[in-house]
Amino acid sequence: LAKTTQPISMDSYEGQEVNITCSHNNIATNDYITWYQQFPSQGPRFIIQGYKTKVTNEVASLFIPADRKSSTLSLPRVSLSDTAVYYCLVMFSGGYNKLIFGAGTRLAVHP
Amino acid sequence: DTGVSQNPRHKITKRGQNVTFRCDPISEHNRLYWYRQTLGQGPEFLTYFQNEAQLEKSRLLSDRFSAERPKGSFSTLEIQRTEQGDSAMYLCASSPGQVDGEQFFGPGTRLTVL
Repeated sequence: LAKTTQPISMDSYEGQEVNITCSHNNIATNDYITWYQQFPSQGPRFIIQGYKTKVTNEVASLFIPADRKSSTLSLPRVSLSDTAVYYCLVMFSGGYNKLIFGAGTRLAVHP
Repeated sequence: DTGVSQNPRHKITKRGQNVTFRCDPISEHNRLYWYRQTLGQGPEFLTYFQNEAQLEKSRLLSDRFSAERPKGSFSTLEIQRTEQGDSAMYLCASSPGQVDGEQFFGPGTRLTVL
């Protein structure tokens, strides 16, 4: 069964590093893992994408182990404006019918 | 603004009516996706176009749903004989040709079926 699993919610404080993990046991061999951020009443916004090992951009890092059965989004030094829902998106073997978003992790950043 | 646009932003309709939503993707993006999102859930894939060709349609999608992308530019999503269970946010996204997953989303159309 194609499925992704994320923690439902997380709490953090300003300035801390936040790590959100998504498990995806049956990910397609040649496809990427992508993370999105969503604020209320808005469409998701792309954060970062990777295939294996580690990817870093100006806002986040993405860690993917060799077996690719999970991935971890790392947000360094979060601020109040990072309070949002974070989704992983993966494609499982079988084509676009198995383009699966996780249920999302609701991150609350406190002062 | 060169992002993905969707119209209308909100739609309220009565059960049994037909509704149509429009999505204008980022120009030169040849892939276009439709998703449905209900409260507290992640977006659920509905269908996907590459240029004007509809390549995939979710098995979860009722026959009451149909989508088109004439000329490979804007797309429309029609829901016939709406039901209360169709109430959701309908999201459109587009992506450039090479890599799946890096999608640019519009603001969505919120449908309420009374």
